[in-house]
Amino acid sequence: EAQVTQNPRYLITVTGKKLTVTCSQNMNHEYMSWYRQDPGLGLRQIYYSMNVEVTDKGDVPEGYKVSRKEKRNFPLILESPSPNQTSLYFCASSRTDLRELFFGEGSRLTVL
Amino acid sequence: LAKTTQPISMDSYEGQEVNITCSHNNIATNDYITWYQQFPSQGPRFIIQGYKTKVTNEVASLFIPADRKSSTLSLPRVSLSDTAVYYCLVGDRNDMRFGAGTRLTVKP
Repeated sequence: EAQVTQNPRYLITVTGKKLTVTCSQNMNHEYMSWYRQDPGLGLRQIYYSMNVEVTDKGDVPEGYKVSRKEKRNFPLILESPSPNQTSLYFCASSRTDLRELFFGEGSRLTVL
Repeated sequence: LAKTTQPISMDSYEGQEVNITCSHNNIATNDYITWYQQFPSQGPRFIIQGYKTKVTNEVASLFIPADRKSSTLSLPRVSLSDTAVYYCLVGDRNDMRFGAGTRLTVKP
């Protein structure tokens, strides 16, 4: 089954404790992206990657890091999480033509 | 960079046709227009995509005027299960930006 898998789905952590949200897709997609979703603000792009070893900032990259060492994986790293990073995070992937984004089920992160 | 504007919310009743319009005045020549549906606690799901004129699939139609500065998603005969947030996405490669979406509530 074609899918985008995110882990963890839910996480409560404390300020400053480094964490990684993993994202993996099994569709051999070149394009992958991270979004955060907050009430009233819709989906805002954090980072995206057009292919392995190629990453670029989206609209709200501050406080986040990403890496794309393998085509199927695109982890989101919060080096020193802060409460304003409490949000619902979505990973998405697509073919190079970007005709359709496939989203994961989301990761709800709470930073205390 | 293309930015989209949609109504924040809409109400409808079962069996009615619903039209949601998205404004994208700065759409670029290479940009496609894509609509997604999102249910609570789920990732958005692709509904339909178009470049110009009209596109129809098994769940919706998309109308795009000649100037491409707006688009209208049409949902025929909605049911309660169509209650969701609908996003218009305009972009290509470096600019896959979502707006705040339109919350559609279908009432019995």
